[in-house]
Amino acid sequence: QKEVEQDPGPLSVPEGAIVSLNCTYSNSAFQYFMWYRQYSRKGPELLMYTYSSGNKEDGRFTAQVDKSSKYISLFIRDSQPSDSATYLCAMWIPNAGKSTFGDGTTLTVKP
Amino acid sequence: DTAVSQTPKYLVTQMGNDKSIKCEQNLGHDTMYWYKQDSKKFLKIMFSYNNKELIINETVPNRFSPKSPDKAHLNLHINSLELGDSAVYFCASSTETDTQYFGPGTRLTVL
Repeated sequence: QKEVEQDPGPLSVPEGAIVSLNCTYSNSAFQYFMWYRQYSRKGPELLMYTYSSGNKEDGRFTAQVDKSSKYISLFIRDSQPSDSATYLCAMWIPNAGKSTFGDGTTLTVKP
Repeated sequence: DTAVSQTPKYLVTQMGNDKSIKCEQNLGHDTMYWYKQDSKKFLKIMFSYNNKELIINETVPNRFSPKSPDKAHLNLHINSLELGDSAVYFCASSTETDTQYFGPGTRLTVL
């Protein structure tokens, strides 16, 4: 079993929809949780970063962490065609030397 | 003022050849990575360096040899290229809490 499991997708939604992207993990030692966005033929870019359980909001994006359930989500409100990309969750244990990435969910927002 | 840069962007070569990819970061980070992303978009870590020292080698064939002349550079040399090496290779550097900054990628095609 992988340490990080990400909803595989692909996901296709109409413009304006609320999108939920999800990852579960098995290692309770993970302490930092990240979401990266990767546009086609580009490198991943950091979108959200959080440490504690709860919600963190940045514009239309909300990152949610539930450490008790080992579950993280990224919500996108009022989704736009420009949000069409692959979203990767990532988790980090301090001093582990690397993050563990999910396999990514590809999102398409249709106008 | 690019944060993480890679050269070349595209690399097309014959099986059996040897090639190198260069990476430079100007963010002052101590940690750098090489990742391989296959056609299914799975991002797999290959190597991690911290202050020029190899920290992680994720069971990568020894045809792949990273070299870090200083902490701002991490190059990847590949010997005896095989068809299965075709992929996009990303370099990244990271902060102390492993939020990562990726380069634009090098698309390697082995014929």
